[in-house]
Amino acid sequence: DAGITQSPRHKVTETGTPVTLRCHQTENHRYMYWYRQDPGHGLRLIHYSYGVKDTDKGEVSDGYSVSRSKTEDFLLTLESATSSQTSVYFCAISGGRQLGNTIYFGEGSWLTVV
Amino acid sequence: DAKTTQPPSMDCAEGRAANLPCNHSTISGNEYVYWYRQIHSQGPQYIIHGLKNNETNEMASLIITEDRKSSTLILPHATLRDTAVYYCIVRAFNNAGNMLTFGGGTRLMVKP
Repeated sequence: DAGITQSPRHKVTETGTPVTLRCHQTENHRYMYWYRQDPGHGLRLIHYSYGVKDTDKGEVSDGYSVSRSKTEDFLLTLESATSSQTSVYFCAISGGRQLGNTIYFGEGSWLTVV
Repeated sequence: DAKTTQPPSMDCAEGRAANLPCNHSTISGNEYVYWYRQIHSQGPQYIIHGLKNNETNEMASLIITEDRKSSTLILPHATLRDTAVYYCIVRAFNNAGNMLTFGGGTRLMVKP
C-alpha cells in the first residue's frame, strides 16, 4: 500500500451543494494530485500540488479548487456541485526524482451528484 | 508529453506470457516510459518504468526498442488476476514533478 487514504470513499450529494474530498498521505511525499476518471475519457488531471500552499491547475480544473495546508493533506473542493462532476476521483502522490519519480494512487472516491 | 498508442484490447491464456505493445514514436530523449494497470473499481497500480534499458521487477519486464519509439510490457505468466486495463505513459519531468497523462490503455483479458 502507498499510504494514501481518501475520504469519503462514496458520497451522494445534491446539485448546488459544496463538496470536499480529502486525501491523506503518510509518506511525506512532496507532490500530490487529484485526477478524475470518466468512461470514454480515462484519467484526467484536475489540480496538483508541489508543496504546502503550492498548487496549480491541471487539464480539467474548472469548477474545482484545492488546498494544501499540510504536507499530508490535499483537499479537493467542488464549490457548487453539478451533475457533470459525477465521477470517480483519485488522489495520487509522488516523492519526485529523489524517490524514483513514481506516482502512487489511492483507491478512489465515488461521487454522485443528483 | 509524447503521445502513446496501444491496442484497445488483447486476450491471453492463463499461464502464458502476455505481451502488451506500446508505440511512442515522438518520445523525447529525457522522457521515461511508465506502465500502470487498473483493475476494475480500483486505483491505478504502478508496474514498471524505464528510460532506454530493459527493466525487470517482480511484476513484469519492460522491453524498450533501441530507437525508443516503442516498448513492450511482458507479464511472464499471466493469471486471471492480471485481467485489467494497462496504461503505457510517457512522462516529462517539470517543476510540478511527474504529472502523468493517461490514454485509453489496453484492456487485457486473461482467460482460463
